Amino acid sequence: DVKVTQSSRYLVKRTGEKVFLECVQDMDHENMFWYRQDPGLGLRLIYFSYDVKMKEKGDIPEGYSVSREKKERFSLILESASTNQTSMYLCASSLHRGGAGELFFGEGSRLTVL
Amino acid sequence: AQKITQTQPGMFVQEKEAVTLDCTYDTSDQSYGLFWYKQPSSGEMIFLIYQGSYDEQNATEGRYSLNFQKARKSANLVISASQLGDSAMYFCAMIRPGNQFYFGTGTSLTVIP
Repeated sequence: DVKVTQSSRYLVKRTGEKVFLECVQDMDHENMFWYRQDPGLGLRLIYFSYDVKMKEKGDIPEGYSVSREKKERFSLILESASTNQTSMYLCASSLHRGGAGELFFGEGSRLTVL
Repeated sequence: AQKITQTQPGMFVQEKEAVTLDCTYDTSDQSYGLFWYKQPSSGEMIFLIYQGSYDEQNATEGRYSLNFQKARKSANLVISASQLGDSAMYFCAMIRPGNQFYFGTGTSLTVIP
């Protein structure tokens, strides 16, 4: 079974802190994604990556950056956390760039910024 | 622009009854795919069913079926014989060329005993 693991289920940070959310997948998937989930807004794409060291902006990249130094790991970085970044963050991966492969999700990281 | 629309924020269904969750989508692509995911209160996203734009038959997976009406751009999820464990958030999603996924805002389903 595909496993997507997010490093922290729950985090509490203070405004201005730097936050790292780590995501690791174990099935050699090419594509990795970071979503933010908020009530009434569904899932919104922050960044995605098709390959190592490649990244593409999603719909809401402002205030975030990402890093993909290894194929299995995709990190989301909040350089200076703000209260409006309090949310559930979901990492996902999929196999093929051009195919219709389903997304496999991690369990989510619920971030609270005080 | 909103590409996936789920107009039902919340739905209730009696146990053992069938329920339809609505989803409409907007795309000018000829090739695309439609997914439904379930998110229980624990938070994980669970893949339920997939329909490709060129699939002529509606997808089915156990108690889940996807009512695909291409001309109307709708991809409704039908859950037959609802169970208490079906209570969850349900998200409709579309994949477009370039492997970009778009999600709807979700429908919260509550199954009543």
